[in-house]
Amino acid sequence: SQTIHQWPATLVQPVGSPLSLECTVEGTSNPNLYWYRQAAGRGLQLLFYSVGIGQISSEVPQNLSASRPQDRQFILSSKKLLLSDSGFYLCAWSTGGTQAKNIQYFGAGTRLSVL
Amino acid sequence: SQQGEEDPQALSIQEGENATMNCSYKTSINNLQWYRQNSGRGLVHLILIRSNEREKHSGRLRVTLDTSKKSSSLLITASRAADTASYFCATIQGAQKLVFGQGTRLTINP
Repeated sequence: SQTIHQWPATLVQPVGSPLSLECTVEGTSNPNLYWYRQAAGRGLQLLFYSVGIGQISSEVPQNLSASRPQDRQFILSSKKLLLSDSGFYLCAWSTGGTQAKNIQYFGAGTRLSVL
Repeated sequence: SQQGEEDPQALSIQEGENATMNCSYKTSINNLQWYRQNSGRGLVHLILIRSNEREKHSGRLRVTLDTSKKSSSLLITASRAADTASYFCATIQGAQKLVFGQGTRLTINP
């Protein structure tokens, strides 16, 4: 069966520090991968998605970047965190291919607090 | 932009009652999905309804879709305390992206 791992669960970082959040998927190959951010009590904002190694689509210009160095690994990064980067970050995967239903499977999330 | 918009934003009912949440969307869809999110956790897929379907059931869940009104509803029957969560509808935008609404926060009171 497929599983998705996302870590860390919580993170407190000072303003100006770097960020690296990692997400890995097991039990499937060539998945679509997604990073979302969720503000408190709000819906999900799609940040990045990837349909293959090295292929990253950015949805919202901001202080963050994403990379996909391996088929089932998706990394969210920042060189210098801002206060506004605080939030709940979620990684998700779906079956690749244009005929897919795009049902997404989510990790447990990382709560980032930038102080 | 958010394609799906849920209504109400918050709903509080007694255990055993039915809970109904609505979702409206703006563009044509191939399917519409509903997800649940427990507090501080990731989202979990509940049910998918295709654009050519009008109603779908899964256990205590019943989803309807009215493409002429661009709306969907999620009904949870005989609610339980464990149903307390936020519920989101989502529609596909382009080939690879889901757009989520702002969600309905459901509270089941014992």
